[in-house]
Amino acid sequence: EVQLLESGGGLVQPGGSLRLSCAASGFTFTNYAMSWVRQAPGKGLEWISAISGSGGITYYADSVKGRFTISRDNSKNTLYLQMNSLRAEDTAVYYCAKAPATVPTGRAFDIWGQGTMVTVSS
Amino acid sequence: SYVLTQPPSVSVAPGQTARITCGGNNIGSRNVHWYQQKPGQAPVLVVYDDSDRPSGIPERFSGSNSGNTATLTISRVEAGDEADYYCQVWDSRSDHRGVFGGGTKLTVL
Repeated sequence: EVQLLESGGGLVQPGGSLRLSCAASGFTFTNYAMSWVRQAPGKGLEWISAISGSGGITYYADSVKGRFTISRDNSKNTLYLQMNSLRAEDTAVYYCAKAPATVPTGRAFDIWGQGTMVTVSS
Repeated sequence: SYVLTQPPSVSVAPGQTARITCGGNNIGSRNVHWYQQKPGQAPVLVVYDDSDRPSGIPERFSGSNSGNTATLTISRVEAGDEADYYCQVWDSRSDHRGVFGGGTKLTVL
């Protein structure tokens, strides 16, 4: 069964850092691009970052560029999101999502994790 | 940046047809994807590449895309279809970014 499982969320103070992980199973991880999508409480979906299957190409939304870093360890079938300089407006459920191709552009997100909650508050 | 516009809400009686629109400048030239999200759950892909359905998605779900409007059509609506629906494209004109519409709440009367 294809599965994505996020972890690493929690409560962090403004200006702090957090690293999210997304463990993948049931498919050949290195063959597929991955993205992070977040959803603030009561709000819609917001794409924030994507990475190619090899990890050599990354993309970011303007709202997180320079603060967040996406990466992957294909030997561990794991996707990461390093979040620095966190702000209250980063409070959201963070989902990892798989693309059906090696590169993410133009593609849908065909598999989603269950999400992990990040709360930025003092 | 590219903007996708969805109506905040759509209401339909059971058994009727629901149409949820997604507006964007020349959206017909892009691949549009649609997601269903029920309360407390992760989104689920219901239509990709304008009109294709993933395995396991009922044929009642269909999509179209032309000009400045993409449409998700749900035929013979059931109570279980009540959810938020989001359209999504990639904006690759300047840089590569995923873009979601604001979402539409489908209410089954």
